[in-house]
Amino acid sequence: GEDVEQSLFLSVREGDSSVINCTYTDSSSTYLYWYKQEPGAGLQLLTYIFSNMDMKQDQRLTVLLNKKDKHLSLRIADTQTGDSAIYFCAELNQAGTALIFGKGTTLSVSS
Amino acid sequence: GAGVSQSPSNKVTEKGKDVELRCDPISGHTALYWYRQSLGQGLEFLIYFQGNSAPDKSGLPSDRFSAERTGGSVSTLTIQRTQQEDSAVYLCASSLEPYNSPLHFGNGTRLTVT
Repeated sequence: GEDVEQSLFLSVREGDSSVINCTYTDSSSTYLYWYKQEPGAGLQLLTYIFSNMDMKQDQRLTVLLNKKDKHLSLRIADTQTGDSAIYFCAELNQAGTALIFGKGTTLSVSS
Repeated sequence: GAGVSQSPSNKVTEKGKDVELRCDPISGHTALYWYRQSLGQGLEFLIYFQGNSAPDKSGLPSDRFSAERTGGSVSTLTIQRTQQEDSAVYLCASSLEPYNSPLHFGNGTRLTVT
């Protein structure tokens, strides 16, 4: 079945770059997503990438997709304390009806 | 414009009682989803509605869980005879159309069963 794996924790210092990694299983996934969840809040869509792309950049965010290895990464440049949150990677399920989420990576940014 | 709205934001109930959780999707969004987020368990898909099609209920964990969507807009998730393991944050999301439109989430309802 579909599965999405992420490392659970990442700790960086303010101003450094953060790289959050994700692996997925369904090679037919057409879109892959990154969501951010701050404490007590719902999930905020950060960015998504279509499967025929290798890279997508949006301000401080860079998404890299390696379809061969089924590996997705999110790079946050110049990480700020306000970036501290849980980051979820997600792929569309085979039926195309719902997103399958990883367990989330908790990013902790220290000043 | 307004985002996905969920109510109540918090609900405490006694074991064995029924609860209803409400979701008001973004206007014009045809697809609506319910997810459950439990501590340490990540996000679990529960049910999906698209227009007038039959919902995809494949994620509902037991027959105590049901959901409906009236008039293609507001949805309610009902949990009957609640159990302590039902304690979680229940998140609703909507998307403009199914199949590849980004999901927009509400802030969730935190359910605590005592």
